[in-house]
Amino acid sequence: GIQVEQSPPDLILQEGANSTLRCNFSDSVNNLQWFHQNPWGQLINLFYIPSGTKQNGRLSATTVATERYSLLYISSSQTTDSGVYFCAVVSGTSYGKLTFGQGTILTVHP
Amino acid sequence: DARVTQTPRHKVTEMGQEVTMRCQPILGHNTVFWYRQTMMQGLELLAYFRNRAPLDDSGMPKDRFSAEMPDATLATLKIQPSEPRDSAVYFCASGYREDTQYFGPGTRLTVL
Repeated sequence: GIQVEQSPPDLILQEGANSTLRCNFSDSVNNLQWFHQNPWGQLINLFYIPSGTKQNGRLSATTVATERYSLLYISSSQTTDSGVYFCAVVSGTSYGKLTFGQGTILTVHP
Repeated sequence: DARVTQTPRHKVTEMGQEVTMRCQPILGHNTVFWYRQTMMQGLELLAYFRNRAPLDDSGMPKDRFSAEMPDATLATLKIQPSEPRDSAVYFCASGYREDTQYFGPGTRLTVL
């Protein structure tokens, strides 16, 4: 099946710093989503982005499908950005099944 | 604000007991997924349905797990008998075909 690798595994920032999270995937995808899992365990949709670039406030994402990677940018980070960020993909043959990466644990200190 | 709802949010039970988790997908979504999250395995798919028909349940231990959609507004995941290794957070998600999947708050299951 498709492999999803996220980097870095851990990231520690001071409030106000910027960061880039990366997601590499091993096959073509029909769907790519970025999620934030907050400290209470809730999985929050950030982006549905199988290709192209999207922005939502301080967050933006870019997927280059031909090169099989996606990037999540967080600018001016806040303590509330802390948590785990997951990339998940649906490959061409998996009929909607999301395969998740192992996540990036982000800690933002005040 | 449409959301996926799950009940119960927390469940503590003893080994051997039956556990039933329920999910109400977002109205209009035709695809429902069950995922499990553990520290060791991360997030993994257990089963999913499209238009209430099971499409794939290869991620479930068949001897003890069962998933059903008795109607378009209810999906259930049952474990019988439960074992300590089933302790995890179980998420339900819904979507429309290949589009964005929206996750419920999860059921945190502890089997003693």
